[in-house]
This record gives sequence, structure tokens and C-alpha cells, in this order.
Amino acid sequence: AQSVAQPEDQVNVAEGNPLTVKCTYSVSGNPYLFWYVQYPNRGLQFLLKYITGDNLVKGSYGFEAEFNKSQTSFHLKKPSALVSDSALYFCAVRVPEDSSYKLIFGSGTRLLVRP
Amino acid sequence: EADIYQTPRYLVIGTGKKITLECSQTMGHDKMYWYQQDPGMELHLIHYSYGVNSTEKGDLSSESTVSRIRTEHFPLTLESARPSHTSQYLCASSWTGTTTEAFFGQGTRLTVV
Repeated sequence: AQSVAQPEDQVNVAEGNPLTVKCTYSVSGNPYLFWYVQYPNRGLQFLLKYITGDNLVKGSYGFEAEFNKSQTSFHLKKPSALVSDSALYFCAVRVPEDSSYKLIFGSGTRLLVRP
Repeated sequence: EADIYQTPRYLVIGTGKKITLECSQTMGHDKMYWYQQDPGMELHLIHYSYGVNSTEKGDLSSESTVSRIRTEHFPLTLESARPSHTSQYLCASSWTGTTTEAFFGQGTRLTVV
């Protein structure tokens, strides 16, 4: 079965420190990978995606993600966290062969950045 | 913010009532989706649509139904609401193409009492 894992329910980091939110996937073929952020009582906002090419992808709000095919991972990173980054983060994959074009989401990781 | 709108944002309704959650997008996207987000925050696909007059059930079984009579409109209906339907419902849309991201509405938080 296709699946996405976010092994950490919560990540705590101090403002100004680097942050990493982990994501691994188990899907057939070569998936396309996405990160979304959800603020309280809001929908999901797109951050970045990996389709092909450079393994380091840059996105919105200073976030970036590193694709590692051998480890089937797509970790989200930011060099210097802000308190305003505190939110729920979702990793998602899309399998190109799936005609529904649906996104398969991980369970989410809550990021808490303390002042 | 993406141009996809959901109404109402919050709804508290009694058991047995019929409800329709509205979703509209102004981007001309042909693909539309409904996700259910449970209290643990996981997202589950319950319905999707390839285009007008096309609807399919998603991965999570749901008693709700959907329709797609117009490209921009993808309402979700519960004929008889139950407390087990209490959840957040998120609507999304995207262009055809596997590389395109989906855009999400702000969600409808439904409580059935």
C-alpha cells in the first residue's frame, strides 16, 4: 500500500535555530512530493514540491526540502526558525500512475517554535 | 491565498438533519477533492472529481455524496447527519497533471449534536 510517514508528532525548536521535519514514503514508482502547512482553523497552504532535478527544493517562507531517493525521504528544513512558523506540517505524495491525481498525506507534524 | 472557498466555516447541527457543504473555486481547475480531517489531524480522501459530471469515491468510506454539475462547484451532502460525521472537511482543487499542487479551501468544521 502507498503510504507516507511523519515519524514525529511534534517538533520543538528554539527561535533562530535550524529546524527539520521528517518525512519518508513508501510508494511504487517515482512519486512527486509536496509539503503543506496548516495554521489553526485554516486550510492547507502549499509550501514546496519536488518533481525532478535538483534534490534540494526551495519554497515559500524560507523553507526548503531535501529529496533522498535511496532513503525514500523528503525532509523539510529551515535554517532559522521563527515563532510564526509554529503550525501543523503535512508531507504528501502523488503517484504519477494514479489517474485520480490524489495526494496521499502523512499524519502531520506539529512544529512548536519557542521564543 | 488560493481562490477556493468553502461555506459555512463552522456548522453545528442536530442529528438527522440534511446538510450541504459548499465548495467553489474560481481558478477553472478540472480536478476537485474532498478530504476529511479527523481530530488526530490525519487527512483522508473521501471524494474526487475529474471534471463536470464525474465523481468518484475516495479511500475513506463516507456516507456523504457529491455532485459536479459545474466546473467551479463541488458540494458535499449528508442526507442524515450523525455525531460520527463530526469532523473538519477540506475541499481542494488542481489542474490536470501529476506535477501540479492542489489548492485548499479553509475548511468547514462540522459538529453534529
